Amino acid sequence: GDSVTQMEGPVTLSEEAFLTINCTYTATGYPSLFWYVQYPGEGLQLLLKATKADDKGSNKGFEATYRKETTSFHLEKGSVQVSDSAVYFCALSDQYQAGTALIFGKGTTLSVSS
Amino acid sequence: DAGITQSPRHKVTETGTPVTLRCHQTENHRYMYWYRQDPGHGLRLIHYSYGVKDTDKGEVSDGYSVSRSKTEDFLLTLESATSSQTSVYFCAISGAGSSGGLDTQYFGPGTRLTVL
Repeated sequence: GDSVTQMEGPVTLSEEAFLTINCTYTATGYPSLFWYVQYPGEGLQLLLKATKADDKGSNKGFEATYRKETTSFHLEKGSVQVSDSAVYFCALSDQYQAGTALIFGKGTTLSVSS
Repeated sequence: DAGITQSPRHKVTETGTPVTLRCHQTENHRYMYWYRQDPGHGLRLIHYSYGVKDTDKGEVSDGYSVSRSKTEDFLLTLESATSSQTSVYFCAISGAGSSGGLDTQYFGPGTRLTVL
């Protein structure tokens, strides 16, 4: 079945450092790809999405490009802030099948220190 | 933010007791989902609904039942709670007309359930 693999955490960075969180996927169809962020004690918030190959999703300085040839959707940010400390989840869904579940990676914890 | 509320937000119960969690939405979205979040597992789908009285099982449905009698409410019931059901439960919604599109899910704040 479909699956998502993302890098193990925690990732610890200093403020203004460059961030990459790797995400690769396995899917039989043409999934949409997502990054969600979860701040402590809160629910998941959609960070960005991409629906087809070579699409770039972006939001709040974060970017991820849908790479079909490498089945990847790596999350990047050029300069992290302390407020970016959170758990990040990569996920996929079948864009042609309404109402299907999101398949999540296990999450990567990011800790940014000043 | 999507209008999704969950109640209760925290609950402690004992093994063998029934528990019902409620998800309420004000977005009139067709699809609603229940997930559980456990360390090392990410989120896993329990059940979902594709309309009033229309529901289906997810990956980890054993021990859970759901009901949807109105568009806005989706209930998750643990008929006889067990310690393995200690988890954080999230409701999500999706639907045509949302800013993110039909395949984008929006999540509620979660319910932390502890079964002693």
